[in-house]
Amino acid sequence: GQQVMQIPQYQHVQEGEDFTTYCNSSTTLSNIQWYKQRPGGHPVFLIQLVKSGEVKKQKRLTFQFGEAKKNSSLHITATQTTDVGTYFCAGPKGGGTASKLTFGTGTRLQVTL
Amino acid sequence: EPEVTQTPSHQVTQMGQEVILRCVPISNHLYFYWYRQILGQKVEFLVSFYNNEISEKSEIFDDQFSVERPDGSNFTLKIRSTKLEDSAMYFCASSELRPSYNEQFFGPGTRLTVL
Repeated sequence: GQQVMQIPQYQHVQEGEDFTTYCNSSTTLSNIQWYKQRPGGHPVFLIQLVKSGEVKKQKRLTFQFGEAKKNSSLHITATQTTDVGTYFCAGPKGGGTASKLTFGTGTRLQVTL
Repeated sequence: EPEVTQTPSHQVTQMGQEVILRCVPISNHLYFYWYRQILGQKVEFLVSFYNNEISEKSEIFDDQFSVERPDGSNFTLKIRSTKLEDSAMYFCASSELRPSYNEQFFGPGTRLTVL
């Protein structure tokens, strides 16, 4: 079945440093979504990318969807302690009508002063 | 801002007992989901529900699991005979339109502990 892997599994940075997590799917995705889960919290939607090569920005966060629509990345510039949490990418199982989201393995970000 | 709610926040049960986890999705949403997350691991899809029937289910969602929308607001997940390995956080989620082109809104979760 479809597998979605993320690297790294864990990253610890000093506040102000940049952070990137990479997401790779075993199958082509019609779109990809990113979620953030704070410690002890629930996943919260960040963004959805649909087009091949698409790049979207949200303040210090930059999201990219690969040309082949099988990979994606999230880059955070100048991390802050509020960025702490686990970042998951998620993609639908197959075509656009699929209702199941397959979540990636997640990257846990720790930010210290 | 509308949100998905779940009750209880924590459920402790004995192995072999039945549990019902409850969710109230966002009122104008049409798609409903259950996911689970074992501590420290990724979020795993269990089942999706649309138009009063199961739309898709995972291999985890075996005969011990069932879902129901008993009225216009609640969405429940029942585990008939709990096992130790069912211990996890269970998240309910809902989405408004075609689910693969819309964000899913997650509830705060129910932590299920099976002893």
